[in-house]
Amino acid sequence: EAGVTQFPSHSVIEKGQTVTLRCDPISGHDNLYWYRRVMGKEIKFLLHFVKESKQDESGMPNNRFLAERTGGTYSTLKVQPAELEDSGVYFCASSQVSLATGEPGNTIYFGEGSWLTVV
Amino acid sequence: QKEVEQNSGPLSVPEGAIASLNCTYSDRGSQSFFWYRQYSGKSPELIMSIYSNGDKEDGRFTAQLNKASQYVSLLIRDSQPSDSATYLCAVTGRYSSASKIIFGSGTRLSIRP
Repeated sequence: EAGVTQFPSHSVIEKGQTVTLRCDPISGHDNLYWYRRVMGKEIKFLLHFVKESKQDESGMPNNRFLAERTGGTYSTLKVQPAELEDSGVYFCASSQVSLATGEPGNTIYFGEGSWLTVV
Repeated sequence: QKEVEQNSGPLSVPEGAIASLNCTYSDRGSQSFFWYRQYSGKSPELIMSIYSNGDKEDGRFTAQLNKASQYVSLLIRDSQPSDSATYLCAVTGRYSSASKIIFGSGTRLSIRP
């Protein structure tokens, strides 16, 4: 079974440009999460989709970030315009059941991440 | 105060010894607790989850949870060089914040042969 896949794995763009990151969750997982880790910091939550709906977007840093999940399958995270401080690794994760249920055994699976460098 | 605190390390442990990793969290309402292992340049990989007070053992790994002290630990017995990685402590909150995992900054563990 394929895991969570992300594209591109690495991206180098200039300040002011646009980048779109894509995530394909594990098949059948309704819950999709975006996280990011900027240099020297801990991994931070960005947002959570349940199917195509945004369940929690409290971690989105500002309106330069736009996440979509049309049709409830894959998701994109667009950064426009990119700033230097956006550099980091963006992780996508998915789960079959929402973490909010607190059920033992519930877990999320992470992709390998998209490494973004803004110069 | 950080929501999840870990000693950044590095923690150096001889091969075959027990590695002890510690974590404290600030939200007393936290429900679920996880330990992830992350190799350099790779994604976090779940190695242990624990939901109630006490110990939980899985192979060479034992997670310990003390909700009264807001403390979580991970013990790795018979440490192997392949255990060298960054270990991330993570928790989920209650209710509105339960949909997201809050990570600590990680502890770097080095197992020396």
